[in-house]
Amino acid sequence: DAGITQSPRHKVTETGTPVTLRCHQTENHRYMYWYRQDPGHGLRLIHYSYGVKDTDKGEVSDGYSVSRSKTEDFLLTLESATSSQTSVYFCAISESQGAKNIQYFGAGTRLSVL
Amino acid sequence: AQKITQTQPGMFVQEKEAVTLDCTYDTSDQSYGLFWYKQPSSGEMIFLIYQGSYDEQNATEGRYSLNFQKARKSANLVISASQLGDSAMYFCAMRGGSYNTDKLIFGTGTRLQVFP
Repeated sequence: DAGITQSPRHKVTETGTPVTLRCHQTENHRYMYWYRQDPGHGLRLIHYSYGVKDTDKGEVSDGYSVSRSKTEDFLLTLESATSSQTSVYFCAISESQGAKNIQYFGAGTRLSVL
Repeated sequence: AQKITQTQPGMFVQEKEAVTLDCTYDTSDQSYGLFWYKQPSSGEMIFLIYQGSYDEQNATEGRYSLNFQKARKSANLVISASQLGDSAMYFCAMRGGSYNTDKLIFGTGTRLQVFP
């Protein structure tokens, strides 16, 4: 257990509304990531963070923003949700294990945009 | 561009038999890492095994082993003595780009079904 908590676990919202997903970690990991999972695509990186207030875009960042005001929390915001953002969202941290860095994932958030 | 390819959408294996899940990758980096994750029907992503590009020996973790063939750019997962609980989606992933960011690129997955 890498101490990652995602909230909410499930959310239904309407097109055009703002949505914020939270990822909380308890082990002071520097790197945090947001991925989305869609059928036929595997997981795709949305945004990542390499420290407090340090973030960068991933492969599918359009329509998403992130914030990291403290080490333990990484927030993903959909400013105006669209149906194409219906997906399962996973947060991850990178844990150093000697010479290798392993990403561990939270339980996921299932988001439906109607 | 970096890419992971999993060509088997689904696989079947009988309990107690071994099964190989295929993964090929494309990268121009000299240093990279390859991962396998398991996603059961409950939805969580479970880390299984890691192989570094400079590791001389194939990685093993219990019943999981990674058949790493660098020249062929393949990183197949071998599950020995399959169990019913191994039924799940399996994703191959590669650490892409800068080593410092650890961003992962995933394949589309293989659904493994283990039958009695």
